[in-house]
Amino acid sequence: GESVGLHLPTLSVQEGDNSIINCAYSNSASDYFIWYKQESGKGPQFIIDIRSNMDKRQGQRVTVLLNKTVKHLSLQIAATQPGDSAVYFCAENRGSNSGYALNFGKGTSLLVTP
Amino acid sequence: EAGVTQFPSHSVIEKGQTVTLRCDPISGHDNLYWYRRVMGKEIKFLLHFVKESKQDESGMPNNRFLAERTGGTYSTLKVQPAELEDSGVYFCASSQDPGVGTGELFFGEGSRLTVL
Repeated sequence: GESVGLHLPTLSVQEGDNSIINCAYSNSASDYFIWYKQESGKGPQFIIDIRSNMDKRQGQRVTVLLNKTVKHLSLQIAATQPGDSAVYFCAENRGSNSGYALNFGKGTSLLVTP
Repeated sequence: EAGVTQFPSHSVIEKGQTVTLRCDPISGHDNLYWYRRVMGKEIKFLLHFVKESKQDESGMPNNRFLAERTGGTYSTLKVQPAELEDSGVYFCASSQDPGVGTGELFFGEGSRLTVL
């Protein structure tokens, strides 16, 4: 069935290092992907998105890479900071009839250590 | 500008009781979504409103869940009767009309439901 998932449930990195969070999806018809960050006690917060006609998009300290051939999505965070500690979710658009309703993955917990 | 607000932030009820969660979307956002995250699992889509109409309710688990959005403003999600497996965090999100903007969903902080 259609699903979005993550390779690793937890990731620990040292402050200042780069982080890479991976995500696999199974619906080859998905055309829109988003990364969300959820801090403890808060709702998911938009980080960056990418459409299927792109393979890379950069934001401030973050880069999303999309490999449609292997249905893989990744989020790269440069110079990871303690404030980046959170759970990161990838999500895909459910389909054009669902507006921006999304399918989420299980999330990766990122822990930044000093 | 006020964000998406949800109430209550935490509710503890016994199995068989009823709980009603409320969501106030960002003003002007026609699209309102309910999601749920059960402990340690993915965030799952429940349903999507466009104004007062249900656009997609394919994620609603069963008929114990009832969502309404009368008047196209705030929305309520009622669970009756609640079961143990309903425990989790219920998120509400809103967005502008699809086709305008980036498609970003704005989430509330969630309502944590604990069924004992």
